[in-house]
Amino acid sequence: DAKTTQPPSMDCAEGRAANLPCNHSTISGNEYVYWYRQIHSQGPQYIIHGLKNNETNEMASLIITEDRKSSTLILPHATLRDTAVYYCIVRVGDNNDMRFGAGTRLTVKP
Amino acid sequence: NAGVMQNPRHLVRRRGQEARLRCSPMKGHSHVYWYRQLPEEGLKFMVYLQKENIIDESGMPKERFSAEFPKEGPSILRIQQVVRGDSAAYFCASSRRVGANVLTFGAGSRLTVL
Repeated sequence: DAKTTQPPSMDCAEGRAANLPCNHSTISGNEYVYWYRQIHSQGPQYIIHGLKNNETNEMASLIITEDRKSSTLILPHATLRDTAVYYCIVRVGDNNDMRFGAGTRLTVKP
Repeated sequence: NAGVMQNPRHLVRRRGQEARLRCSPMKGHSHVYWYRQLPEEGLKFMVYLQKENIIDESGMPKERFSAEFPKEGPSILRIQQVVRGDSAAYFCASSRRVGANVLTFGAGSRLTVL
């Protein structure tokens, strides 16, 4: 019963922007959208999160549609080190337990 | 300010033995989460604990697996009578509070069952 849908894989050229989409059509009004990534077999790394406004930090930007049914993570200038599996997560319930889906495997190519 | 510390990083056990994985959360964090990642698969939620309490163990197998987070010391994930299917990476994460909060993950413990 995944709450998010992501493409299984994407490629991006080094130095270009990587735009990773996520559908979360059943999101509730009080649920946040979180993005994490996992480089190779390391522990997942937090990237960004948002509720309904667009967000930006030193790693990425998060664009959430007005109806909140989808979002896009943007890595403005992808590098080879950004090659990873990117997970879009909608926080479930009040216990803050994050449920990870299959994610998108982003490959940044030289 | 050390991050989430997990040990051992690698553990080898024979079938039928017990495995104990430890997780020390970040300083100031009182919430701990355990995830399992089988080879070539995604992360699966196992259990969420606060100090001395199990809040959500809906992802834990019904048998052989247990978790605790005592008042003092690290959180422990215990697997009794391990089988080959338990071979996986086990990740621990911690957070400061419930709500719109971020999980900080450790580097993981890799269990291999021979």
